[in-house]
Amino acid sequence: EIVMTQSPATLSLSPGEGVTLSCRASQFISTYVAWYQQKPGQAPRLLIFDASNRATGIPARFSGSGSGTDFTLTISSLEPEDFAVYYCQLRSNWPPMYTFGQGTKLEIK
Amino acid sequence: QVQLQESGPGLVKPSQTLSLTCTVSGGSVSSGSYYWGWIRQPAGKGLEWIGRIYTSGTTNYNPSLKSRVTISIDTSKNQFSLKLSSVTAADTAVYYCARDPIAVAGVQNWGQGTLVTVSS
Repeated sequence: EIVMTQSPATLSLSPGEGVTLSCRASQFISTYVAWYQQKPGQAPRLLIFDASNRATGIPARFSGSGSGTDFTLTISSLEPEDFAVYYCQLRSNWPPMYTFGQGTKLEIK
Repeated sequence: QVQLQESGPGLVKPSQTLSLTCTVSGGSVSSGSYYWGWIRQPAGKGLEWIGRIYTSGTTNYNPSLKSRVTISIDTSKNQFSLKLSSVTAADTAVYYCARDPIAVAGVQNWGQGTLVTVSS
């Protein structure tokens, strides 16, 4: 079973700063990776699909990259509404299943 | 715009079966372009994928839950359902139903989530 490891667990930053979140897979997985944002009391929201494609309505300050085992989500300049928990997710073809990382919490400094 | 809505009991006794239904509006579970699935999240913890179903009825489950999970689909009602048997307190969580495209990796649409508590 593939494990997705996110780092760091928590980041304290200020609005206007840029940030890169990391997600590492325990084995090669191509680009079947998505990123989500989750705010308290809300369902996750899809930000990035297939590693690098922004979902509909997602601002351009969000970008994803990576392939193989290492993936990143970059927020170029943090807005107040970006402080939330971010999850990466693998969709594997064999066995067919989804695996989430444990999440990275972005908090206001 | 597709919308998903979970429904079912908010309280289930230990050893019993948790049953939830997801009603889809603005889209069809008969669409051949999507998987329909369930994801859960214990309070204060991360997301755990439970399983998914295709319109044909083909299912895939999380190996860690496979022995207890059944997901089914009812195209006539535009719904799909989750059954999780032999529940314990560890199954207490917010349960989300979800839709994700077959062609790309990313769950596009989520229900609002429903809290299910396992307690006597």
